[in-house]
Amino acid sequence: QKEVEQDPGPLSVPEGAIVSLNCTYSNSAFQYFMWYRQYSRKGPELLMYTYSSGNKEDGRFTAQVDKSSKYISLFIRDSQPSDSATYLCATTTGNQFYFGTGTSLTVIP
Amino acid sequence: NAGVMQNPRHLVRRRGQEARLRCSPMKGHSHVYWYRQLPEEGLKFMVYLQKENIIDESGMPKERFSAEFPKEGPSILRIQQVVRGDSAAYFCASSPPSGSSYNEQFFGPGTRLTVL
Repeated sequence: QKEVEQDPGPLSVPEGAIVSLNCTYSNSAFQYFMWYRQYSRKGPELLMYTYSSGNKEDGRFTAQVDKSSKYISLFIRDSQPSDSATYLCATTTGNQFYFGTGTSLTVIP
Repeated sequence: NAGVMQNPRHLVRRRGQEARLRCSPMKGHSHVYWYRQLPEEGLKFMVYLQKENIIDESGMPKERFSAEFPKEGPSILRIQQVVRGDSAAYFCASSPPSGSSYNEQFFGPGTRLTVL
């Protein structure tokens, strides 16, 4: 079983829509959860990270972790064409980082 | 403060040749991670290094692959006798020294290796 599972999409939404991206993870010992954004031909950049369960908000982005169901979510409000990218969820043991395969998002103007 | 730098950005090798990928971490960062990315497999952890030490190489293939992070100079990922299956994007990330369990990673732009 993979440490992190993520639906690869692709996902296509109209501008202004609310986007929901999701992952599941296998090991209940994971404590830190991250979301990265990766534009084509670029390296991933960290969007947000959360520790343990709960929500974290940063502008139009909200990260949510539900440890009881081992579920990680990223919500994007008022989506913009510039949000078009691949979004990767990740978790870590401290030494190793485990990434989902990424969900490709296109926001259509 | 320059970000993580990787070179070359693109590397073409013939089967059997050696590939050397370089990574210069951000200033002040002493931790380096290497990842491989294939189109439908996502980022795969390969190795985690600190200066002059390999901390975790559990993601490295047992043969042909090696990594180092010397006291001076960039981190090097070395692939000997490359095969077509080594074609991928290789990303390096660095993080600062940290006392917590979580070290924020900053990624470089990657090196795209093509094996002919």
